This record gives sequence, C-alpha cells and structure tokens, in this order.
Amino acid sequence: GQQVMQIPQYQHVQEGEDFTTYCNSSTTLSNIQWYKQRPGGHPVFLIQLVKSGEVKKQKRLTFQFGEAKKNSSLHITATQTTDVGTYFCAGPWNYGQNFVFGPGTRLSVLP
Amino acid sequence: GAVVSQHPSWVICKSGTSVKIECRSLDFQATTMFWYRQFPKQSLMLMATSNEGSKATYEQGVEKDKFLINHASLTLSTLTVTSAHPEDSSFYICSAPLGSASYNEQFFGPGTRLTVL
Repeated sequence: GQQVMQIPQYQHVQEGEDFTTYCNSSTTLSNIQWYKQRPGGHPVFLIQLVKSGEVKKQKRLTFQFGEAKKNSSLHITATQTTDVGTYFCAGPWNYGQNFVFGPGTRLSVLP
Repeated sequence: GAVVSQHPSWVICKSGTSVKIECRSLDFQATTMFWYRQFPKQSLMLMATSNEGSKATYEQGVEKDKFLINHASLTLSTLTVTSAHPEDSSFYICSAPLGSASYNEQFFGPGTRLTVL
C-alpha cells in the first residue's frame, strides 16, 4: 500500500537555527499540503503545492515539491519560539480516495 | 478563513455510554467532512469521510457500528461513539475542505477530547 514518511520525527533546535522537515511518499501525489499543530491545538493549514518542482515562500518558511511529486520539504530559516509545534504533510493518498496525514515532525525551539 | 466548530470541546463519560460529537461549518457549506482520531504525540488518523446525504466511508479497521456518522446537512456532521470504552479515549477532530474537491485546503475544528472512565 501507499506509505508516507516524515523525517525527522523530532527536532530540537536553538532559537535562530534553521530547521527542515522532509515528507516522502511511495507514490506520486497530485498535490501536497502542509499543516502546523501547536501543542494542545488543532492543525492549521500552511500551504498547498501542486506543480512539480514548485517552491513557495511564506516569510521564513520555504516549501518545496519534488520534481517527481513524491516528496516535499519545509524549511524554516532562523527559527523562533513561536515555530514550536508539529508539522504535518498531508495529501490525497490512496489515489485520491481519502486525505491522509504523515506522521509529523515535532519541533522544539530552545530560547 | 473558513471556520469549523466542534461541540463539546471535552467530555468525560462512563464506560458503556454513548457520546455524540458535533462538527459544524459555520460560514461555508461542506458536502464532505473528515473525522480523525489523534492519540497523544501521534499523527492524525483518518477514521471516516462523512458525505452529506449519503453513507459515510470508513477507513480500514474502523468499526462503522461503533462510530456512527451522520451528515444531516451541508453544515453539520455528527460522530457518535457508541458503548464507549477506555480505549476509545482520544482527541477527535473533524475537518472540512473549502470548495467541492475533497483534497482542497482543510479547515479543522478545535477538537473534542474524550475520556472514558
């Protein structure tokens, strides 16, 4: 069956350091989305990537969709304590029949 | 952005009782809503897709007779956990896509924390 992996599972960084999380799918995706969930909160939509090789930026966040549309990354430049949370990739896995979340990467930022 | 509400935000019940959770899209219509379950420090697990006017689609391993879903209108879906047991204790979150495509941006409700004693 289809699988999606995210690495790393956990990441602890010092405030000001950069952070990257990677999402890898065993199959090609029509699109991929990224969400952030703060501790105790619910997921909040960050971005959607649709095109092969697409790169989108939101202030200190850079999102990339792989050329083969099977992987994606989220990079945060100069992390801040407000970046703490779990970052999930999500997409229409299983040939678009449902919407599935990756296992997530939990980011801790030390002040 | 679109707003999705959930009620109740938390509930504590005795083993064997049933609990109903409501998910409402407040400022948009949702023909599809998703129900997820999240255990502590884990990812969201899709339980079922709720379809307005038709039967829900359940993910493999999810008992449809235990987790009853009713999507009675374009703004309301309910999840009833029947005969709840302690292992059903979890964080239940609903979401709805904005627009007709189920793979559009998802808007999540705040979640319902269920504790079964």
